Order: sequence, then C-alpha cells, then structure tokens
Amino acid sequence: RKEVEQDPGPFNVPEGATVAFNCTYSNSASQSFFWYRQDCRKEPKLLMSVYSSGNEDGRFTAQLNRASQYISLLIRDSKLSDSATYLCVVKIGADKLIFGTGTRLQVFP
Amino acid sequence: DADVTQTPRNRITKTGKRIMLECSQTKGHDRMYWYRQDPGLGLRLIYYSFDVKDINKGEISDGYSVSRQAQAKFSLSLESAIPNQTALYFCATSDSDSYGYTFGSGTRLTVV
Repeated sequence: RKEVEQDPGPFNVPEGATVAFNCTYSNSASQSFFWYRQDCRKEPKLLMSVYSSGNEDGRFTAQLNRASQYISLLIRDSKLSDSATYLCVVKIGADKLIFGTGTRLQVFP
Repeated sequence: DADVTQTPRNRITKTGKRIMLECSQTKGHDRMYWYRQDPGLGLRLIYYSFDVKDINKGEISDGYSVSRQAQAKFSLSLESAIPNQTALYFCATSDSDSYGYTFGSGTRLTVV
C-alpha cells in the first residue's frame, strides 16, 4: 500500500465549478500535511499547509481528519489557471516529505 | 536569480556514462534533498542531507551517490547511468523551521 494515495484524475471541470480532491495516508505518525501544486514539466510549489482545524486561503480550503487519516482540498470558483496537478504531501519524522502521485485538474472554459 | 538552481536543465547521456547533476541554493537552508519523478510514481527521495557532514539514503539510493560540498551545494552522481534512470530530477531545500520545501526547476535526464 502506498504511503500517500490520491485519485490520479483527471478531473475536468468548467470554469466557476467547485472541485474537491481527497488523499489518504497510511502512517499514523505523520506530523504535518501539505498540498503542493505542480504545473506541467515544472517544479512542485507549496500551495498550502493543512491544519487539524481546517484552513482556508482564498478559494482554497484544506481539511484534515486524523482519525480517518484523510486530507482534502476544495477549490471554489475554479479558474483556467488552476489547471495543474495537485500533490498531497505528508511529513514523517524529522523532516522527510512523502509525496502522493498527484491529482490532475483541467479547468475548461 | 532562482533560490534553488539546478544544472543542467536537460541532459541526454549514454548507458554506462558517469554524470553529475548539480544543485546550488541561496536560501541559506541547511537541509537539501534529491528526488526523482516518474510518471505514475510521483516524487521519490534519493538522498538527503541535513548539514554539510550529514548524508542519508532515501528510498531509492541504489545507483546514485551524492556530495555536499558546502551548505549551498549538493550534487547527485550517477556512476554508471542506465536507461531506467531516465527521469525528471529535482533538488529541494528546507530549514528546520519551514513548513515546506523549495524546489529547483528540475533536470530532465535521458539515458539512451
């Protein structure tokens, strides 16, 4: 079983739609959680950290459920520029990040 | 200038050749990492270093070696390249207080 699992997609949604991505992790000792965004052939970039109480950054909302070992990302009012691959990332131990394989989002006009 | 610079950006090399990928950073971070990315497999950790005298193997270190020449420099070597080492390689940095990594723009390596 992979340590971090994501639905690879693609998710094809129209502009303005709301879309949600889910992620599960297997290591209960995981300490910190993140969503990264990766554009095609580019490097991953930190989108947002995920806190136990849930957190929001503009159109993006992240949720964490430690009991179910589940992380989510909600994007409201999707823009064309949101088209990318979204990586669920878990921090284990001192400072090692484990990356999911990513969920691809394509927003169409 | 980019915070994390990788060279070369693209490289095609022949099986059996030695190749070095270089990474330098201006963020002053102590921690540096090398990942490779393959379609369907995501990013996998090759080696990491928490300071100049510290080198640790990641999950897929076989066939690779690293050198931490200075706080700002961390190079990855393939002693004898093989075709299944064809991948996109990323260097990343972090410090103990940061919540995320800063990645370089990647090196696309093709072994023929």
